[in-house]
Amino acid sequence: GAVVSQHPSWVICKSGTSVKIECRSLDFQATTMFWYRQFPKKSLMLMATSNEGSKATYEQGVEKDKFLINHASLTLSTLTVTSAHPEDSSFYICSARDRRLAGVYNEQFFGPGTRLTVL
Amino acid sequence: AQKVTQAQTEISVVEKEDVTLDCVYETRDTTYYLFWYKQPPSGELVFLIRRNSFDEQNEISGRYSWNFQKSTSSFNFTITASQVVDSAVYFCALSAGGGYNKLIFGAGTRLAVHP
Repeated sequence: GAVVSQHPSWVICKSGTSVKIECRSLDFQATTMFWYRQFPKKSLMLMATSNEGSKATYEQGVEKDKFLINHASLTLSTLTVTSAHPEDSSFYICSARDRRLAGVYNEQFFGPGTRLTVL
Repeated sequence: AQKVTQAQTEISVVEKEDVTLDCVYETRDTTYYLFWYKQPPSGELVFLIRRNSFDEQNEISGRYSWNFQKSTSSFNFTITASQVVDSAVYFCALSAGGGYNKLIFGAGTRLAVHP
């Protein structure tokens, strides 16, 4: 149980294009999903917290107009990198909290990540 | 402020050696959770353990053991008789406070186990 998928697992795009990354909780409902970014040999940095049916909360320094997050259902959140540039190349990881465990265990279930390369 | 410090950037050991990965955390909350994750070269995070602030019991799971000491705000991770498959980056993380309980990750420790 508690499986989170991400699609695509990797993507290469040209500078200036937009890329959408999907994060799905496969066997549970997630009221809250998180998006992280990881540069090579660096730690995970939280970008935003996404709650179903409401606007995402972005961390300081993260451009919300560049990284559009939509959490349209209890099993799906999407991150769209708009007008991507080479400096946006990174490993993007999502995680989800099982609504049944909210407030009981603060555990997040992580997706396998999406490697974005912008040429 | 909440913070996780993993002072060891890289550790290199020979197979069968024991190795301890250090984690020091900071939080003013009395209720919090600590985690360890393993990130192999594939990139996917593997959950290892969760510990809440009210449970200071040490835990052992096979070759893995964890030492939680609130007095020193540390949550160290020991691998006994290390194996090449243990080579990965290990992250310690903290979840505290209200709101949506986001995870604060340490910088990670890269462990290389050589045959």
